[in-house]
Amino acid sequence: TQLLEQSPQFLSIQEGENLTVYCNSSSVFSSLQWYRQEPGEGPVLLVTVVTGGEVKKLKRLTFQFGDARKDSSLHITAAQPGDTGLYLCAGADGNNRLAFGKGNQVVVIP
Amino acid sequence: EAQVTQNPRYLITVTGKKLTVTCSQNMNHEYMSWYRQDPGLGLRQIYYSMNVEVTDKGDVPEGYKVSRKEKRNFPLILESPSPNQTSLYFCASTLTWTFGAHEQFFGPGTRLTVL
Repeated sequence: TQLLEQSPQFLSIQEGENLTVYCNSSSVFSSLQWYRQEPGEGPVLLVTVVTGGEVKKLKRLTFQFGDARKDSSLHITAAQPGDTGLYLCAGADGNNRLAFGKGNQVVVIP
Repeated sequence: EAQVTQNPRYLITVTGKKLTVTCSQNMNHEYMSWYRQDPGLGLRQIYYSMNVEVTDKGDVPEGYKVSRKEKRNFPLILESPSPNQTSLYFCASTLTWTFGAHEQFFGPGTRLTVL
């Protein structure tokens, strides 16, 4: 299974600030997803990107898929405490499986 | 309500005592999967099933079994649990793998402790 590296591993910011987290791999993915997970709960899908260079927006969250479909970024504008959580990226490989990164733990301080 | 359910949500057991964690989805999804989540290691796939009677190993299948006799159910079986299987387990389903964008819907998780 391809390795997905997420950085930074942990990020703490003040409410109202912007942040960007990254998901990188040396492998090409047919699709890539971002999930958010809160403590004690299952991950919840935020977005799926399938086309190289694609940009999707979900309110204050902007997701970008790299041109070569190997990497992705998530940008949060004017972060709020409700954005606190573990952000996971996952890529579909050619073997009917989904590989997950270890996550970006984001804490937004009120 | 469309959902993936898992039972039990919490389980404490002893080494060697066989157990089954059930997983059920009501969305008519073809693809189902089991993951374990451990600190520092992230989510790792244990087994997956493309459809009824079709199962295959993920990244960490040792010590686990699965079956897919019906489309909606995908139980995870630990024949002889050991302490290194203490973990948080998630079941997930996807509408279809072949033609879809592979979005996974996760259950609420089962926290297993093996003493």
